[in-house]
Amino acid sequence: KQEVTQIPAALSVPEGENLVLNCSFTDSAIYNLQWFRQDPGKGLTSLLLIQSSQREQTSGRLNASLDKSSGRSTLYIAASQPGDSATYLCAVPSGGSYIPTFGRGTSLIVHP
Amino acid sequence: EAGVAQSPRYKIIEKRQSVAFWCNPISGHATLYWYQQILGQGPKLLIQFQNNGVVDDSQLPKDRFSAERLKGVDSTLKIQPAKLEDSAVYLCASSLGGSGYTFGSGTRLTVV
Repeated sequence: KQEVTQIPAALSVPEGENLVLNCSFTDSAIYNLQWFRQDPGKGLTSLLLIQSSQREQTSGRLNASLDKSSGRSTLYIAASQPGDSATYLCAVPSGGSYIPTFGRGTSLIVHP
Repeated sequence: EAGVAQSPRYKIIEKRQSVAFWCNPISGHATLYWYQQILGQGPKLLIQFQNNGVVDDSQLPKDRFSAERLKGVDSTLKIQPAKLEDSAVYLCASSLGGSGYTFGSGTRLTVV
């Protein structure tokens, strides 16, 4: 059974800092890995999708890397802004049914 | 492309009452998921549909929860009778192959 762990659980930083959020998974037989953002009380917004054959994906100030062999992914946020404050979740589909397993998320607060 | 639609956005009911949630996935997405997200936790899969067939419902509390997907498009999730511990955000998502998952805005259920 796939288990997904996200570290740190919470992060509070001043505006402008570069951040690294971590996601680790126990079963490396994955199809892809997806990072989401969730604002309080809202649904999940997809940020980046990395296929199992890829090493990284970039979108604006966001960069996500994937190391299948070590069961890890990192989400790098450059020059953080207060608008980046949210919970960041990673989802890893595995198994024959492509069922995504989620971590508990990293709660990020960026101070002005 | 239109996103995943969910309704209602919010619902408050008393324990032992029944409630139903509706989801309309992205057109053409064969796979539909219902997740339960308790405050402070990652989403937990309740049920996965492939077209109108159930792929996985192993974590659905079948004594009180039921779900259906008519004609492989819209889906409804029902709780009867509700318990206090059912208070959560109920998220619907859809996907097509390995293209990642798109989530709706969710329904926040409060059971009092």
